[in-house]
Amino acid sequence: AQKVTQAQTEISVVEKEDVTLDCVYETRDTTYYLFWYKQPPSGELVFLIRRNSFDEQNEISGRYSWNFQKSTSSFNFTITASQVVDSAVYFCALSEAGDTGRRALTFGSGTRLQVQP
Amino acid sequence: GAGVSQSPRYKVAKRGQDVALRCDPISGHVSLFWYQQALGQGPEFLTYFQNEAQLDKSGLPSDRFFAERPEGSVSTLKIQRTQQEDSAVYLCASSQQVLTGAGYGYTFGSGTRLTVV
Repeated sequence: AQKVTQAQTEISVVEKEDVTLDCVYETRDTTYYLFWYKQPPSGELVFLIRRNSFDEQNEISGRYSWNFQKSTSSFNFTITASQVVDSAVYFCALSEAGDTGRRALTFGSGTRLQVQP
Repeated sequence: GAGVSQSPRYKVAKRGQDVALRCDPISGHVSLFWYQQALGQGPEFLTYFQNEAQLDKSGLPSDRFFAERPEGSVSTLKIQRTQQEDSAVYLCASSQQVLTGAGYGYTFGSGTRLTVV
């Protein structure tokens, strides 16, 4: 069975601070995908990144960066120089990989990020 | 349309009432998913369609839940004899691809918030 744990329920920072959102996962699959989604107050889930389990390179996209460590089953997300518009709930998710893999996503419970001006 | 459209946006149902939730995916999108998101939790998978075929319904919580996509475009999630524990946001997502990596290229709708009183 797959499981995603986001231990931080809510984080509050002041604008321009850096913030890291933690994600720990469990899976028996040897190949899998990891994701981060953003859910603003409007409710839709916005895709941020997908990472394949055999690609452990860290990734940077503007103010966003992701640290994937297979040895500790973690996929952490850092926002540098946070802005008020970053305020949202962020979800980490996991899925099987491959053509016969189950197509469902397993989500964590989310971390609510509040960025104060 | 430009995005995934869900209706109604809000629904209040009396316990025992039947409800129908509609999802209009992006035109031409092959894959369609339904997720249930309880308050303060991450989304949980309900069911998956590839065109009109329901390939995975393992997440439907009971036989009161039924989903269809008869012509491979619009989908309806029906809940019979609603109960208070059915109160949640129901999210629909669609993708152009028959996915080999689940979650990549999903577009989520803003969801229908169902409240059972």
